[in-house]
Amino acid sequence: GENVEQHPSTLSVQEGDSAVIKCTYSDSASNYFPWYKQELGKGPQLIIDIRSNVGEKKDQRIAVTLNKTAKHFSLHITETQPEDSAVYFCAASLNYGGSQGNLIFGKGTKLSVKP
Amino acid sequence: NAGVTQTPKFRVLKTGQSMTLLCAQDMNHEYMYWYRQDPGMGLRLIHYSVGEGTTAKGEVPDGYNVSRLKKQNFLLGLESAAPSQTSVYFCATSGRHLSSYNEQFFGPGTRLTVL
Repeated sequence: GENVEQHPSTLSVQEGDSAVIKCTYSDSASNYFPWYKQELGKGPQLIIDIRSNVGEKKDQRIAVTLNKTAKHFSLHITETQPEDSAVYFCAASLNYGGSQGNLIFGKGTKLSVKP
Repeated sequence: NAGVTQTPKFRVLKTGQSMTLLCAQDMNHEYMYWYRQDPGMGLRLIHYSVGEGTTAKGEVPDGYNVSRLKKQNFLLGLESAAPSQTSVYFCATSGRHLSSYNEQFFGPGTRLTVL
């Protein structure tokens, strides 16, 4: 089955710097890669996702890149702000023919942005 | 709209006791999921449902049962709680669309402690 590895487990940056979180997956058939943000005491919330037919996707200060050959994808946050402090999870799934595959999550990265 | 709600928010059980966690959604979503979140382990899928009256096992189903008698509710049961089931439990839902790539919406979580 699918296995998702996520690094680093903790990341501390200064406000205004960039943050990068990396994930690798094992099943080359996986075709959907979302990123979730979990604030303290809350449930995870989708912040960006990418499909296997796209190499990069941006949404304001957040971007995700996908390298299918190497089976890894990354989250990039630019101009970090204190409100970006949270736990971030990557995930992978295989979706096809109108059916959704189950998400396999990485173990999470705790991002701390110091003012 | 309340979105995804979970009842209760907190619970302390003694080993061997039973309980039911309730997930309710007003989003008219077909898919519903139960995850557990443990420190350093990310989110692991316990059971899921692709529609009313259907359930299926996820990655870590042992010790849990589920039921989806109504589309809007998904119940997670612990028949005989064990300390290893101390965790934070999240319910999530997603809709069925032609694109197959659908965001999962998470509830606020239930923190369960088994003594």
